[in-house]
Amino acid sequence: DGGITQSPKYLFRKEGQNVTLSCEQNLNHDAMYWYRQDPGQGLRLIYYSQIVNDFQKGDIAEGYSVSREKKESFPLTVTSAQKNPTAFYLCAVGYNEQFFGPGTRLTVL
Amino acid sequence: SQELEQSPQSLIVQEGKNLTINCTSSKTLYGLYWYKQKYGEGLIFLMMLQKGGEEKSHEKITAKLDEKKQQSSLHITASQPSHAGIYLCGAGKPQGGSEKLVFGKGTKLTVNP
Repeated sequence: DGGITQSPKYLFRKEGQNVTLSCEQNLNHDAMYWYRQDPGQGLRLIYYSQIVNDFQKGDIAEGYSVSREKKESFPLTVTSAQKNPTAFYLCAVGYNEQFFGPGTRLTVL
Repeated sequence: SQELEQSPQSLIVQEGKNLTINCTSSKTLYGLYWYKQKYGEGLIFLMMLQKGGEEKSHEKITAKLDEKKQQSSLHITASQPSHAGIYLCGAGKPQGGSEKLVFGKGTKLTVNP
């Protein structure tokens, strides 16, 4: 079954805790992206990676970290330094057309 | 930096009616992407436009990019409840490397049966 998987679908975190969101793909794409979506704000780019072991900051990278050790995986860590982490997080892959995963909704309690 | 403005922000139509959503860019569009999103789900790719004057259709949805490449429109003919959702436009960047898309804030479409 091909595609992009994100887990978990819902995530709850206490203030001060780091949390890692998973993104896995079997579409064999080199490029992967993380976006944040807030109500009425559209999507904003957090980090992107064009190749294994390399990644670049997007427009709102502060308080987030990523790794790209495997082509198939691009996990996103939301650190305690992120002041307003409650949002819907979307992972995408692709060079021209970007294809999106189902998303993870993170809520900070 | 490039900004995309979508209009209207929300739209409520009766089933069977036609409708148009607009996406206006602050800079020249080198690639314009249309996506659809159901609430709480990921984005579904609809169409990509690159050339001035280009028009693409898929089922009852038609997207156009104007000649000056600064505005795109998405037109739905004979709307159905299945068309309901949030429509987002995204713009690619002209430099080489991966496409880092800039998105509009979306248009929420409601289709009443």
